[in-house]
Amino acid sequence: QITLKESGPTLVKPTQTLTLTCTFSGFSLTTTGECVAWIRQPPGRALEWLALIFWDNDRRYNPSLQRRLTVTKDTSKNQVVLTLTNMDPADTGTYYCAHRNDEFDFWGQGALVTVSS
Amino acid sequence: EIVLTQSPDFQSVTPKETVTITCRASQGIATSLHWYQLKPGQSPKLLIKSASQSISGVPSRFSGSGSGTDFTLTINSLEAEDAATYYCHQSSSLPNTFGQGTKLEIK
Repeated sequence: QITLKESGPTLVKPTQTLTLTCTFSGFSLTTTGECVAWIRQPPGRALEWLALIFWDNDRRYNPSLQRRLTVTKDTSKNQVVLTLTNMDPADTGTYYCAHRNDEFDFWGQGALVTVSS
Repeated sequence: EIVLTQSPDFQSVTPKETVTITCRASQGIATSLHWYQLKPGQSPKLLIKSASQSISGVPSRFSGSGSGTDFTLTINSLEAEDAATYYCHQSSSLPNTFGQGTKLEIK
C-alpha cells in the first residue's frame, strides 16, 4: 500500500523560503518508472501542478514557478523535498505530494501553508 | 500549455439524479485525462484514469468517457456523499494541468 505524507512549516513570512518534505512508503524512487509530484491548491481556487521528480532524477517544473522551485529526492529516506523561494501571500494554500503513475493515484493528506508577516 | 475547461462550474442536484460533468481540452490529448474528487479537509481521490478506466474501490456509479478534446464524467444515482468538487487533469504534456473544478451540491 502506497502512502505519502507532507511535513513542514504552517506559516512562513513573505520573501522567506518554504521547504516541504514528502515522506512516502510502498514504493521506491530507485525503481524504474517511479515518480512523485507536487500539487497545490490556493484557498477557493483550483489545483495547480507544481513539479515532478522521476526515479532517474529527471525533474520537471511548472514554467510559471520554475525560477523559484526546486525538487530533490533522498532515496535512502524515501523522501522528496520541495523548496519554493521568495514566498508571497499568493503562495498560500494546501501543498500535496502524490505518487504519479501518469495519473496521480495516491495523495498525501496535504500541508496547509500560510504566507503572512 | 493545455487548458482544460470544465462545465458547469456549479451544479445543485437531488439524490438519485444522474449528473454529467464535461471537460474540454484546448488541444487533443488522446485519453490522457483523469478525474478526481475533492472534499473539504480531505486529499483528492482518483475516480477515473485514462478517460474511462475504473479505479478499484470507487463506486461503479462513477464512469468516464471521451477522447481527443472532449471528456465526460457521469455520476449515476447520486448519493449525498458525492457532494464535492470534481477536477479533470491532463497528463498528455507538460505542464500537467487541471480544470477549474465543478462543485456539486446535493440538495
